[in-house]
Amino acid sequence: GAVVSQHPSWVICKSGTSVKIECRSLDFQATTMFWYRQFPKQSLMLMATSNEGSKATYEQGVEKDKFLINHASLTLSTLTVTSAHPEDSSFYICSAREEGLAPHNEQFFGPGTRLTVL
Amino acid sequence: AQSVSQHNHHVILSEAASLELGCNYSYGGTVNLFWYVQYPGQHLQLLLKYFSGDPLVKGIKGFEAEFIKSKFSFNLRKPSVQWSDTAEYFCAVNRRGSTLGRLYFGRGTQLTVWP
Repeated sequence: GAVVSQHPSWVICKSGTSVKIECRSLDFQATTMFWYRQFPKQSLMLMATSNEGSKATYEQGVEKDKFLINHASLTLSTLTVTSAHPEDSSFYICSAREEGLAPHNEQFFGPGTRLTVL
Repeated sequence: AQSVSQHNHHVILSEAASLELGCNYSYGGTVNLFWYVQYPGQHLQLLLKYFSGDPLVKGIKGFEAEFIKSKFSFNLRKPSVQWSDTAEYFCAVNRRGSTLGRLYFGRGTQLTVWP
């Protein structure tokens, strides 16, 4: 149980275009979802936290107009990288938690999406 | 502010050697503690976790970790490493009872095991 999927697993796009990444909780209801960014050989950097049906809370330094997060249902959150630039190339990881499933706030991680912007 | 420190950035061992990776956190309240592993080209996987009870927790693949509250530490150990343990290891902490359950990650330790 507690499986989180991401789609696509990798994407290549041209500079200036927008890319949407989906994060789904397959067998539980994700009351909260988290989006992370991971640079090569570095740790995970939390970008934003989203609760179903409400606006995402962005970490300091993360542009909310560039990284649009939507958590419209209890099983789906999307991250849209708008007007992508080469410096946005990174590994994007989502995680999810369900309050009843994980009373100690354990998060379940998706497999990540590798974004390359040319 | 909450922070997690992993002092070893890169550890190189031979097979069968013993492993201990350090993890310290800075938060005075009650915490939940996690170790994650990321094998080359793969996603983050949970190795083990501590919520309460016995401070010595056992995880998958022969790993264990000990929570020492007085030292704010949660070090990861394995008595005999294998080549397949080569991976990046992340320590993470969240605050017990926090509404959102935000995880704070250490910067990671790259473990390389030579056959």
